[in-house]
Amino acid sequence: AQSVTQLDSHVSVSEGTPVLLRCNYSSSYSPSLFWYVQHPNKGLQLLLKYTSAATLVKGINGFEAEFKKSETSFHLTKPSAHMSDAAEYFCVVSEPSGTYKYIFGTGTRLKVLA
Amino acid sequence: DAGVIQSPRHEVTEMGQEVTLRCKPISGHNSLFWYRQTMMRGLELLIYFNNNVPIDDSGMPEDRFSAKMPNASFSTLKIQPSEPRDSAVYFCASRLSGGSYNEQFFGPGTRLTVL
Repeated sequence: AQSVTQLDSHVSVSEGTPVLLRCNYSSSYSPSLFWYVQHPNKGLQLLLKYTSAATLVKGINGFEAEFKKSETSFHLTKPSAHMSDAAEYFCVVSEPSGTYKYIFGTGTRLKVLA
Repeated sequence: DAGVIQSPRHEVTEMGQEVTLRCKPISGHNSLFWYRQTMMRGLELLIYFNNNVPIDDSGMPEDRFSAKMPNASFSTLKIQPSEPRDSAVYFCASRLSGGSYNEQFFGPGTRLTVL
């Protein structure tokens, strides 16, 4: 069975400092992995996705994630936080079985301090 | 592209009333998902359609909930009768099936409050 663990429910950073949001997954298959962001009272927006073409994935708004199979991790990073990055972030693994259902992490709420 | 469209954006109703939520997926997408988001339970998949056919409705809470997809461009989620515990944000998402890397695109959600 597949699962996703987001290790931190809340992360606070100062504006201009690096962001690290941690995600570990469990999958019997070669996984499809995604990061989504949800701003307050908004829907989920795709930040980036792992497609097996490259282990370092670049997304929108300066975010990146690195797929590390040996560590079963897919951590999200950004070199310099901006106030507009304050939101909730979801790590997602997709079932490859044909339904391609999403398995969601519990989310990490990012707070950016001025 | 207009993205996934949901209506209404907000709905306030009284217990016992019927509620209908609507979704228009992205044109050309052939998979559609209904989710419910609450603080206590996070994001839950309610039902999944592929090519307008319900494939997995195991997440539908009980018989009060029903979903239809009469054509490729429209889906409804109905709650009858509604109860206060149904208060949540309901999201619709669509996807082009055929590849495991194809992502789901989410609508803005409908915030439902049942008094």
